[in-house]
Amino acid sequence: TQLLEQSPQFLSIQEGENLTVYCNSSSVFSSLQWYRQEPGEGPVLLVTVVTGGEVKKLKRLTFQFGDARKDSSLHITAAQPGDTGLYLCAPHMEYGNKLVFGAGTILRVKS
Amino acid sequence: GAVVSQHPSRVICKSGTSVKIECRSLDFQATTMFWYRQFPKQSLMLMATSNEGSKATYEQGVEKDKFLINHASLTLSTLTVTSAHPEDSSFYICSARTGVLAFFGQGTRLTVV
Repeated sequence: TQLLEQSPQFLSIQEGENLTVYCNSSSVFSSLQWYRQEPGEGPVLLVTVVTGGEVKKLKRLTFQFGDARKDSSLHITAAQPGDTGLYLCAPHMEYGNKLVFGAGTILRVKS
Repeated sequence: GAVVSQHPSRVICKSGTSVKIECRSLDFQATTMFWYRQFPKQSLMLMATSNEGSKATYEQGVEKDKFLINHASLTLSTLTVTSAHPEDSSFYICSARTGVLAFFGQGTRLTVV
């Protein structure tokens, strides 16, 4: 059983479109991290969200942490082919001292 | 930013041989390192958590005698796939923890023929 559920599992869109990826859990987390992984490489940390209701922006990416700190979303505006990759969420590592990931969302942006 | 170096990036080995993968934190000390396995188009599956100077903690279903982990120092952890078989072919990734953040190696593509 995945600690974190991510949706959608796959997403294929045209360049310029907007999209949202969701990360949900029944557990409360002190913080949550988002990563992006390109094929054949290790994941790269994008952001850490800490406070319930927090919104962080990273250029065209907007991350939100739910008020109850059980869920998070990643919104990409005007997607570019360079945004293609696997997006992963992971809870703060205090949880069992492990770094475990959601199932991931594979995003493909077509030009 | 923090750098984690994983070596080799690609390896092809014959069935029955062993392969060692190294994971080094280059500019920080990592109290904990994680080893993951990843199948195509899937997320990272945690194999084991390795703490410096102690035995690794393996996830359920991961054979500790097959996937030997050694965390001899605060900057180096190794994963040895023993008596490799074609079904062990996969992408293996390590991660090193510093504080509340974790940084990843580039991954190792293992192909067993």
